[in-house]
This record gives sequence, C-alpha cells and structure tokens, in this order.
Amino acid sequence: QQQVKQSPQSLIVQKGGISIINCAYENTAFDYFPWYQQFPGKGPALLIAIRPDVSEKKEGRFTISFNKSAKQFSLHIMDSQPGDSATYFCAAIDLYGGSQGNLIFGKGTKLSVKP
Amino acid sequence: NAGVTQTPKFRILKIGQSMTLQCTQDMNHNYMYWYRQDPGMGLKLIYYSVGAGITDKGEVPNGYNVSRSTTEDFPLRLELAAPSQTSVYFCASSPQGIANTGELFFGEGSRLTVL
Repeated sequence: QQQVKQSPQSLIVQKGGISIINCAYENTAFDYFPWYQQFPGKGPALLIAIRPDVSEKKEGRFTISFNKSAKQFSLHIMDSQPGDSATYFCAAIDLYGGSQGNLIFGKGTKLSVKP
Repeated sequence: NAGVTQTPKFRILKIGQSMTLQCTQDMNHNYMYWYRQDPGMGLKLIYYSVGAGITDKGEVPNGYNVSRSTTEDFPLRLELAAPSQTSVYFCASSPQGIANTGELFFGEGSRLTVL
C-alpha cells in the first residue's frame, strides 16, 4: 500500500526553468518530510527536509512548500540546471512504524534538465 | 571519506543460490538499514539494526536475513535466491535513527540479478 503518492513520474524542464514535484499523504501520524536526491549509479542523499509545523523551507534554489490541512507537500527547484538532473524522492517519517519509526518513500520523479 | 561501503556492486545469481551482500560504515553510526529499490517503486525497508546485536524486520523481510556483530558491519544474506529478489540493494546508516532526523547516509548500492 503506497502511503506517499508522488507525481509526476518524470519531468523535463529547460535550463533556467522551475521544476515542481508534488507529494501527498494520508497518514496524519507522519511527522517529518525529507526529500532525497539520487544521481545515476549512486545512493540517495538527503537534499532538504521540513517539519509539519512549517509551511515553507528554502535552501538555495530548493524550496519545500507544505500544506498540512491538504496533506500535501512539494519541491520547487528554481533556475533548474543540467546538474540537477536526477531522481527525486519525497518521503515521510512514520513515527509509529516499527520500533524506531519508518521512512516511507514515494516512487520517485526522474528530472531531466535540458541545456 | 569512505562513509557506507557496499560490496559487491554487481552480482548475477542463479535461482536457488545464496549470497551475502556486505555493508560496512566508518562513521560509528548505531543505526543501519537495508533497502531494496525496484524500478518506479521507491525504496522498501528490508531489515534494520539499532546497534550491535539488535536487528528487526522492516516492510519486506521475507527471503532475507541479517546479523549485526559489530557497529561497523551489517551484512544481508539472501537464501535460496528467487527472480523476485532481482533489485538494487542499498545499505544506509544514521547517527540518531530515522525518528530524530530522517537523514540516512546511503552506500552506492549493489545490483543483483537472479536468473
């Protein structure tokens, strides 16, 4: 059962454009929402994360917007660059999953930024 | 900076064979995890460990076993390999566990094909 729904599955953006990836969840027990970035042949790496009591978090060109009432959150990449081409995973921490919490991943979005 | 090291990077198994995926980390992290990543499916937790001598099942543990005799090492054992175990396997570690920061440090993955 997919608990974090991520869209789109793939995204093509021109250099300098804005990339937007959306995620939605149902479980109100989810407490923390990280985004991971994965380059081909590498493991995922934490990019940026947000807590549910914050509506927006910005780090450089990357911004998370969080809507707690709608149970939705999104990643915006401003001034997208070819070096941003990667697969992005949204995730949510289920504090009641397992004995020490569980990290539930979305299915991923493959971003390609064209020069 | 080694971080999380996985071996082998690639392996082809025949149905019914067994093998061990090795994972070692040099960051003195107590928490370690094994995930599998299937195309378009995100990452699923197989097993995790909160410290030497302590392991627990994740979301998809069937067909796998783990051990944690030291802080550094967390091998994943596949018994009686099946085609359904064809996947990319990622080992990860965390200093404080998922519930505190949601940050996992991943290895580069081991691609396993079962024919």
